[in-house]
Amino acid sequence: EPEVTQTPSHQVTQMGQEVILRCVPISNHLYFYWYRQILGQKVEFLVSFYNNEISEKSEIFDDQFSVERPDGSNFTLKIRSTKLEDSAMYFCASNIPGDYGYTFGSGTRLTVV
Amino acid sequence: GENVEQHPSTLSVQEGDSAVIKCTYSDSASNYFPWYKQELGKGPQLIIDIRSNVGEKKDQRIAVTLNKTAKHFSLHITETQPEDSAVYFCAASRGDFNKFYFGSGTKLNVKP
Repeated sequence: EPEVTQTPSHQVTQMGQEVILRCVPISNHLYFYWYRQILGQKVEFLVSFYNNEISEKSEIFDDQFSVERPDGSNFTLKIRSTKLEDSAMYFCASNIPGDYGYTFGSGTRLTVV
Repeated sequence: GENVEQHPSTLSVQEGDSAVIKCTYSDSASNYFPWYKQELGKGPQLIIDIRSNVGEKKDQRIAVTLNKTAKHFSLHITETQPEDSAVYFCAASRGDFNKFYFGSGTKLNVKP
């Protein structure tokens, strides 16, 4: 069964450093998403992406965050200057038009120290 | 915006018993309600979903019911097995290419 692949599974970074979280969506999927889950809280929407541009972003997704699909296969989330409160599990997801349900990756646990 | 509430937060059942997890939503424009199962160390996996034009959907031992008037939907698992132990999330969205609003999750423990 096709999978969404996320790397790394765990990343530890110092406050103020830049991190890039990587995702390889399912090959024929066209819609891409990032969600995050802070420990003990709900999974929350960050951004959706289609046709090489952001379709929607949440209030969380401020100027410190960016996404891109650099090579037609990878979908990356960059946090320019990490804060302690960015520590969370980050999930990538993808789907195709008309298929409302997403396929999620297994997540990247980001720890900012 | 949408607010999805999920209950209970933990649920412990004996193997073979049924389990029911309930969610409510606030946005009457929501029309798609998926349920995800998350096992330790893995991402959420879609197990069943329902669209607002349907009141009930069943897939083997799992079923989902939707009451649009009351704005609530429920997951039913019958004949539970130890491998059903996981965290279950409900969600609501406005459909195609729309963000999900998740519930807070239910940790289901099925005791052998």
